[in-house]
Amino acid sequence: EPEVTQTPSHQVTQMGQEVILRCVPISNHLYFYWYRQILGQKVEFLVSFYNNEISEKSEIFDDQFSVERPDGSNFTLKIRSTKLEDSAMYFCASSDRGLNEKLFFGSGTQLSVL
Amino acid sequence: GENVEQHPSTLSVQEGDSAVIKCTYSDSASNYFPWYKQELGKGPQLIIDIRSNVGEKKDQRIAVTLNKTAKHFSLHITETQPEDSAVYFCAASITVGNDMRFGAGTRLTVKP
Repeated sequence: EPEVTQTPSHQVTQMGQEVILRCVPISNHLYFYWYRQILGQKVEFLVSFYNNEISEKSEIFDDQFSVERPDGSNFTLKIRSTKLEDSAMYFCASSDRGLNEKLFFGSGTQLSVL
Repeated sequence: GENVEQHPSTLSVQEGDSAVIKCTYSDSASNYFPWYKQELGKGPQLIIDIRSNVGEKKDQRIAVTLNKTAKHFSLHITETQPEDSAVYFCAASITVGNDMRFGAGTRLTVKP
């Protein structure tokens, strides 16, 4: 069964450093998303992406965050200058059915900012 | 914006019993309501979803009901098995042009 893959599974970084989280969505999907989950809390929407541009973003997705689809298969989330509070599990998701429908999630990248 | 509340936060049942998890939402424009199961170390996996034009949907041991008037929807798992143990999330979204909001999750434990 096709799946969304994320790398790395764990990322440890120093505060102020840049990190790039990588995702390979399901190949025929057109809608891409990043969510995050702080330990023990809700899954929170960050951003949705369609047709090579951001469709929607939450208040969490400030100027420190950016997304990119550098080629036909990868979808990346960059955090320019990480803060302690960026520590969370980051999930990539994709969908073929339109915004927010039938999301398929990857296994996540656990980001730890020290 | 949309706010989704989910109850209970933890639920423990005996194998074979039923489990019910309830969610409420605030935005009457929401029309898509999925349920996700999250096992340890994995991402949320869609297990069932319902649209606002349907009151109930069933898939084997799992069913979801929706009451649009009251703005609440529920997940029902019958004949629970130990492998049903996981965290379950409800969510709500307006299909086009909006983000999906998740509930806080319910940790279900099925005791053998």
